[in-house]
Amino acid sequence: GQNIDQPTEMTATEGAIVQINCTYQTSGFNGLFWYQQHAGEAPTFLSYNVLDGLEEKGRFSSFLSRSKGYSYLLLKELQMKDSASYLCAVRDESNYQLIWGAGTKLIIKP
Amino acid sequence: NAGVMQNPRHLVRRRGQEARLRCSPMKGHSHVYWYRQLPEEGLKFMVYLQKENIIDESGMPKERFSAEFPKEGPSILRIQQVVRGDSAAYFCASSPEGYTEAFFGQGTRLTVV
Repeated sequence: GQNIDQPTEMTATEGAIVQINCTYQTSGFNGLFWYQQHAGEAPTFLSYNVLDGLEEKGRFSSFLSRSKGYSYLLLKELQMKDSASYLCAVRDESNYQLIWGAGTKLIIKP
Repeated sequence: NAGVMQNPRHLVRRRGQEARLRCSPMKGHSHVYWYRQLPEEGLKFMVYLQKENIIDESGMPKERFSAEFPKEGPSILRIQQVVRGDSAAYFCASSPEGYTEAFFGQGTRLTVV
């Protein structure tokens, strides 16, 4: 079967660093996406990994290990506006269908 | 360049009525995806369409649900004879050819009473 696992909820402090993990088991792999979703709003694209390694984009970085079926999203210098759900999604062998995790709700405290 | 536009944002229907959800993709995008999201859950793929073609509807319930993306006009997700379990947020996303990311609309929140 197809499965994406993420922690349900995490809490972190403003200004700190947090790492959100995602493990996946899918039929085929054509890339892994991270999206941010504020409550009641649309998901917005954060990052895309298709090769192993780290992709850095400002305060956000995403890492992928295809052999381990594992990715993480690293958020630095946390701000209150980073409080949101973070969704991990894998593009499967169809090359267009995304399999989504349930999302990790990140709570930032002052 | 306007983003993906969905309307209505909120839709209330009584059980047994029909719901029509509209999605206008971003300009230049010919691929449309519909997803359903229940509270505290991830997105569930429903259907993938290109202009005038349904490419993959494997995520769509076999009965009562249909989708189209005509040559002119928005993509429509149609739910006939709605039931309480259809209450959810329905998101549409679009992408150009050879995409690496899809752009989402603001969603339509359907409530069946």
